[in-house]
Amino acid sequence: NAGVMQNPRHLVRRRGQEARLRCSPMKGHSHVYWYRQLPEEGLKFMVYLQKENIIDESGMPKERFSAEFPKEGPSILRIQQVVRGDSAAYFCASSPLGSGGQETQYFGPGTRLLVL
Amino acid sequence: RKEVEQDPGPFNVPEGATVAFNCTYSNSASQSFFWYRQDCRKEPKLLMSVYSSGNEDGRFTAQLNRASQYISLLIRDSKLSDSATYLCVVNTPGTYKYIFGTGTRLKVLA
Repeated sequence: NAGVMQNPRHLVRRRGQEARLRCSPMKGHSHVYWYRQLPEEGLKFMVYLQKENIIDESGMPKERFSAEFPKEGPSILRIQQVVRGDSAAYFCASSPLGSGGQETQYFGPGTRLLVL
Repeated sequence: RKEVEQDPGPFNVPEGATVAFNCTYSNSASQSFFWYRQDCRKEPKLLMSVYSSGNEDGRFTAQLNRASQYISLLIRDSKLSDSATYLCVVNTPGTYKYIFGTGTRLKVLA
């Protein structure tokens, strides 16, 4: 049973470009969470999605960031017009159910974004 | 006050030692608690959930103190492979967010 998959594992972008991060949840999981981890800091919640629905995006910056989880295909975290402060590790997690956070979340290996 | 607070460490202990970490949380309504382990430049991995009555998994023991709003992790007979950052994670009912502490670094020395 494959775990949570993320790609790319490393992404380098110049300021102003777009970054697209992909996450495929574990088989049988329909709930996806995105987190950001800045160097030497803890993980910060960004957004929680179910298939075709954004449930909670309270942790996501209002501008330049968007997320989707289409009916088919992986979840996408999109960052437009990247700035140096966006450099971080972005982790995706999935769970089989989203029952108020009682379910264990399983994390992917992360995408390390570097903005030059 | 941060929602979840941990001593960042590092805790440097010799092999075979017993070490304990505490983590305090600010929301008294919190119901779900976890310890995750994160190795350098890797993803967090679930170490154990923390149950009200406390629970043990091999060399690891987790405790919850609701009155004082903290959870603890005890590691007995430390191994070199236990060296990692230990993340305290708290969830509040009705939300979907895990709140992560910044982690406690443990170094087990030969």
